Amino acid sequence: NAGVTQTPKFRVLKTGQSMTLLCAQDMNHEYMYWYRQDPGMGLRLIHYSVGEGTTAKGEVPDGYNVSRLKKQNFLLGLESAAPSQTSVYFCASSRGTEMAGELFFGEGSRLTVL
Amino acid sequence: TQLLEQSPQFLSIQEGENLTVYCNSSSVFSSLQWYRQEPGEGPVLLVTVVTGGEVKKLKRLTFQFGDARKDSSLHITAAQPGDTGLYLCAYTTSGTYKYIFGTGTRLKVLA
Repeated sequence: NAGVTQTPKFRVLKTGQSMTLLCAQDMNHEYMYWYRQDPGMGLRLIHYSVGEGTTAKGEVPDGYNVSRLKKQNFLLGLESAAPSQTSVYFCASSRGTEMAGELFFGEGSRLTVL
Repeated sequence: TQLLEQSPQFLSIQEGENLTVYCNSSSVFSSLQWYRQEPGEGPVLLVTVVTGGEVKKLKRLTFQFGDARKDSSLHITAAQPGDTGLYLCAYTTSGTYKYIFGTGTRLKVLA
């Protein structure tokens, strides 16, 4: 069972380059999320989506854009990467049929910006 | 700004010892979740608590939600090396479905 799949798993960028992280889920979940994880900071919410065609800002949205054109995919874009965006990025999804439903996470994407 | 403070930040104990980690906030939550994350993987849900004063047990793990629903604790009895990982608490905000995570407690259980 695939669950939540993130691509790529590793990427090195130079400052100013752009890239897109892809998250795909095969569980027909309504809600999807992008988090970043830095040492000592836990997980911080970047953007989230409560359905196809909708997105909303989280705690740390600056420098990122997202799109949810298809229900199963949630894309995270960096238009002009900065060293401060070096982090491990996690995508998650939930059914959305109940409050405080279980979040299902991908394995993470490690991004280094030089 | 992180609204959830977890303590301690790091904990290293011997196999067989008991431990408690805490998740605290000044805000009232409608529900609170605990996740465990192992190296190289995403977090996995352990439990959800929704009622003030609620206690849930999962084998050797005991979770408690404070009476005022502002804090929670996780107690592990007779810790094992397999309990090693990062423990994260998270809350959801009513009406928005955002999941906000705490700063995490990194636990290492030595054999």
